[in-house]
Amino acid sequence: DTGVSQDPRHKITKRGQNVTFRCDPISEHNRLYWYRQTLGQGPEFLTYFQNEAQLEKSRLLSDRFSAERPKGSFSTLEIQRTEQGDSAMYLCASSLAGQGVQYFGPGTRLTVT
Amino acid sequence: GQQLNQSPQSMFIQEGEDVSMNCTSSSIFNTWLWYKQDPGEGPVLLIALYKAGELTSNGRLTAQFGITRKDSFLNISASIPSDVGIYFCAGLLEGAGNMLTFGGGTRLMVKP
Repeated sequence: DTGVSQDPRHKITKRGQNVTFRCDPISEHNRLYWYRQTLGQGPEFLTYFQNEAQLEKSRLLSDRFSAERPKGSFSTLEIQRTEQGDSAMYLCASSLAGQGVQYFGPGTRLTVT
Repeated sequence: GQQLNQSPQSMFIQEGEDVSMNCTSSSIFNTWLWYKQDPGEGPVLLIALYKAGELTSNGRLTAQFGITRKDSFLNISASIPSDVGIYFCAGLLEGAGNMLTFGGGTRLMVKP
């Protein structure tokens, strides 16, 4: 299976700690997206990359969040000084430029205690 | 906040029944997508719609892109227990770049 993969699937951390998540997109896709989903809600856009360039960032992406895609392939999302409100499912998706369809990974469930 | 109103929020139906759910907005969308999400997993694409009035089927699923470009619906015929899950509509808002806007989801429960 060559779909979108995310690692880890689950992360439990204490408030104030830093966490980093990884996303590997579908290999030929040049666009990569990060979304956040809280319980009972639909996913909300955080940011997206075309190749290695970060082209859009949501107002949800506070200064404690940073995303990178250094070689235009995999991406990392780091949250510094985690807060309990950061507890959510973090979803990654990928697509080809010019195509509206985005394919999602299985997500990383973050719990901040 | 979300700009898509998805209804109903939940449905509890008997196996074999047909299901209908929809999304509406006051804004215009260029693309409509329907996803299904199981607990603890990411959304899985069911159907993609690209033009106003387009009607597309995928097995027992049928979806339509509203003529006004402000709504879409999804029908599931002859429901089976494995249809259980949360269904999300999502769209690319005209003039809003490449971020998907999601509805709040419809939780479907099927009684065997």
